[in-house]
Amino acid sequence: DTAVSQTPKYLVTQMGNDKSIKCEQNLGHDTMYWYKQDSKKFLKIMFSYNNKELIINETVPNRFSPKSPDKAHLNLHINSLELGDSAVYFCASSQVQGYNEQFFGPGTRLTVL
Amino acid sequence: AQKVTQAQTEISVVEKEDVTLDCVYETRDTTYYLFWYKQPPSGELVFLIRRNSFDEQNEISGRYSWNFQKSTSSFNFTITASQVVDSAVYFCALSEASTGANSKLTFGKGITLSVRP
Repeated sequence: DTAVSQTPKYLVTQMGNDKSIKCEQNLGHDTMYWYKQDSKKFLKIMFSYNNKELIINETVPNRFSPKSPDKAHLNLHINSLELGDSAVYFCASSQVQGYNEQFFGPGTRLTVL
Repeated sequence: AQKVTQAQTEISVVEKEDVTLDCVYETRDTTYYLFWYKQPPSGELVFLIRRNSFDEQNEISGRYSWNFQKSTSSFNFTITASQVVDSAVYFCALSEASTGANSKLTFGKGITLSVRP
């Protein structure tokens, strides 16, 4: 059983489109995250949710909107996609707070043309 | 503010060599956690170790060992007798406990390790 899963794995789209990435964890964790990994492999947190409540929002453009329908799911919706949004997006989860080990999903490679 | 520096960007070794990956961190917290993650060419992020600031004992797991030194704010990772399968990007990360629910992982820029046969 996959602990943290993301769909889709690859996403290729045109500038200006709106797209969503889905994330689900079956670990029973309370906290979920979205990270962005750029072309230089730099990993940066975007958001964290604890029990469906937004905890961290790291000055991400408001074109990015996370949605947590329940504590096992954290989806990422991106409006008006731009070239600079091309990256790999990772979902992660952990027990309670962020200083616990975080389990990462396989990543979604987003390419904006 | 928390910060992680991985000064080495790329390391290339021949199989069976030992290699040490350096990690230096900055934090004002007295309670914090340090992590290492591995990202192989397939792209997933694999957790390797978590260490809290009160536990300075070195850790060994098979060919992997970690040296935590608070005096130099370092948490270095050594691979003994490296193998081709160790080729990956290795990330060191830090999380401060004082921020509670706002606690987050801050990653270093990663070190690309290439192990040649």
